Amino acid sequence: EVQLVESGGGLVQPGGSLRLSCAASGFTFSSYSMNWVRQAPGKGLEWVSYISSSSSTIYYADSVKGRFTISRDNAKNSLYLQMNSLRDEDTAVYYCARDLGIAAAGFDYWGQGTLVTVSS
Amino acid sequence: EIVLTQSPATLSLSPGERATLSCRASQSVSSYLAWYQQKPGQAPRLLIYDASNRATGIPARFSGSGSGTDFTLTISSLEPEDFAVYYCQQRSNWPSTFGQGTKLEIK
Repeated sequence: EVQLVESGGGLVQPGGSLRLSCAASGFTFSSYSMNWVRQAPGKGLEWVSYISSSSSTIYYADSVKGRFTISRDNAKNSLYLQMNSLRDEDTAVYYCARDLGIAAAGFDYWGQGTLVTVSS
Repeated sequence: EIVLTQSPATLSLSPGERATLSCRASQSVSSYLAWYQQKPGQAPRLLIYDASNRATGIPARFSGSGSGTDFTLTISSLEPEDFAVYYCQQRSNWPSTFGQGTKLEIK
């Protein structure tokens, strides 16, 4: 069974940092690209970042570029999101999601999400 | 950035009725479009990928159509568990973008 479990969320002050993790199991993690998607309270979905299976290709939303860094450790079946210079508007539930692949559009498995609250 | 516009914002229907949800892209996304269902407090669930392919385990009452800039998600006969928020997403160009969502509510 495919499972994605996020952790690392919490309350942080504006300007602070946080590192999110996503532990993957039930599939060959090293064969799949992965994504982070966030959802502010009561709002819609916003794609945040993408990383290819080998980490050779990375993309970011303009809203986080220069502040967030996505990475992965295939040996540990883990995905990460380092978030620096956090702002109030970064408050959201952050989901990790498995990518169907280059030739297909869709994220087929999602974690349950971890809440990040940026507030003084 | 490609903008996806979903309509209507809210759709009020009764169980057993047919639901038609629309997603329009600001430029062509070919068939690189997905649909998701999200219920309160839950993660999104992939329904349709590549515009018209049902994801694993998705009932046949869900179908997707369209290409280029205009896409439709159809639910042929609504079940009580189908009332939720639905999002479209494009993966044609980076950044990937989502529509603002359509809330399907019980009439």
